Amino acid sequence: GQQLNQSPQSMFIQEGEDVSMNCTSSSIFNTWLWYKQEPGEGPVLLIALYKAGELTSNGRLTAQFGITRKDSFLNISASIPSDVGIYFCAGQKGGSQGNLIFGKGTKLSVKP
Amino acid sequence: KAGVTQTPRYLIKTRGQQVTLSCSPISGHRSVSWYQQTPGQGLQFLFEYFSETQRNKGNFPGRFSGRQFSNSRSEMNVSTLELGDSALYLCASSSGTLTPLQAFFGQGTRLTVV
Repeated sequence: GQQLNQSPQSMFIQEGEDVSMNCTSSSIFNTWLWYKQEPGEGPVLLIALYKAGELTSNGRLTAQFGITRKDSFLNISASIPSDVGIYFCAGQKGGSQGNLIFGKGTKLSVKP
Repeated sequence: KAGVTQTPRYLIKTRGQQVTLSCSPISGHRSVSWYQQTPGQGLQFLFEYFSETQRNKGNFPGRFSGRQFSNSRSEMNVSTLELGDSALYLCASSSGTLTPLQAFFGQGTRLTVV
């Protein structure tokens, strides 16, 4: 099935560093969602974006909806060990309320 | 508000058998979507149910089916299981009518086919 291009695939960083990851698509999306998944759990919604150019924060997390509506990025500032997990972007096209298209995820490892 | 509840959490089945998974959405939510997650393919959309009707369908064979009840609870059925069906099956709950969309996932059911 169709998927978004999410990069990087994995990141190994030192505690306190900032992190940036992004998703791109050849298609236009109406909504971008960012999720975090920990082992054995379902994805947890972190941030939702609904308008081109929108910049939204949730604590140390900031995400932006690209102007072209074909991309989005997520930044994590001052990373801590509990940020470890897999981060997924998901896009929703118009007219398909329940059909999210996911990136393959960015696996984040944080060294204390 | 209770979250999305999926049962069972773990299942082991034999090739050729069939399996039924259950999902109870967040109270008030009428849309339930199902996803298959595997290391190789990532998260793939199976189908969405809204008000007891299938509203969207992904590219999975007919062995994968689902239904939704009047209380919005949904079940997913996989018949004639294959080894490749081993995966984490996730359901997502959303209002189904409101935009903007926010979809919340359950913990998933880990299915192992042997």
